[in-house]
Amino acid sequence: DQQVKQNSPSLSVQEGRISILNCDYTNSMFDYFLWYKKYPAEGPTFLISISSIKDKNEDGRFTVFLNKSAKHLSLHIVPSQPGDSAVYFCAASAYTSGTYKYIFGTGTRLKVLA
Amino acid sequence: GAGVSQSPRYKVAKRGQDVALRCDPISGHVSLFWYQQALGQGPEFLTYFQNEAQLDKSGLPSDRFFAERPEGSVSTLKIQRTQQEDSAVYLCASSFSRGPGQNYGYTFGSGTRLTVV
Repeated sequence: DQQVKQNSPSLSVQEGRISILNCDYTNSMFDYFLWYKKYPAEGPTFLISISSIKDKNEDGRFTVFLNKSAKHLSLHIVPSQPGDSAVYFCAASAYTSGTYKYIFGTGTRLKVLA
Repeated sequence: GAGVSQSPRYKVAKRGQDVALRCDPISGHVSLFWYQQALGQGPEFLTYFQNEAQLDKSGLPSDRFFAERPEGSVSTLKIQRTQQEDSAVYLCASSFSRGPGQNYGYTFGSGTRLTVV
């Protein structure tokens, strides 16, 4: 049972345009969400987060939107740059066993075309 | 150190061999996590430590997998009698989070790629 789903395994976008990456979750107890970016042969690096008390969080070119009723979040990158080409994972967590344990989606490979 | 350090970066093991993977977390991070990432998949939770206490090992796939963090800093993930299905990238992450409402996310290491032949 996959609690966090990224249904698009890949996405290609032209440089300068908007990239929209989507993520759905099933567990209504999740209250904190993160996006991670991963380059080949490196560990995932933190990109942006949002807590369940918000519906939007912005950081420069990156904006994350959360729709709790639909159990859906999305990451918008505007404008997209070739250096954004990577695999993007969304992750969701709830407080359990003394910490926030993150459940990851399967990732979306973004390719930004110059 | 400045980041989470994992060693070795790559490990090739013959089926049946025991392996030990090391993680050196960020100094002061009380929470330490091990994840397994198979090819084309997202990271999957294996186990979690708060200081030296292993509070959650629900993700360990079998009793061949064992993790420890005896002094609350460096952690070792040991896999006994490796099988081909153990081939994956093993990621270690640490976090400063200490309680509810203190959610700072994880800092991941670069991972150890284990190939069992």
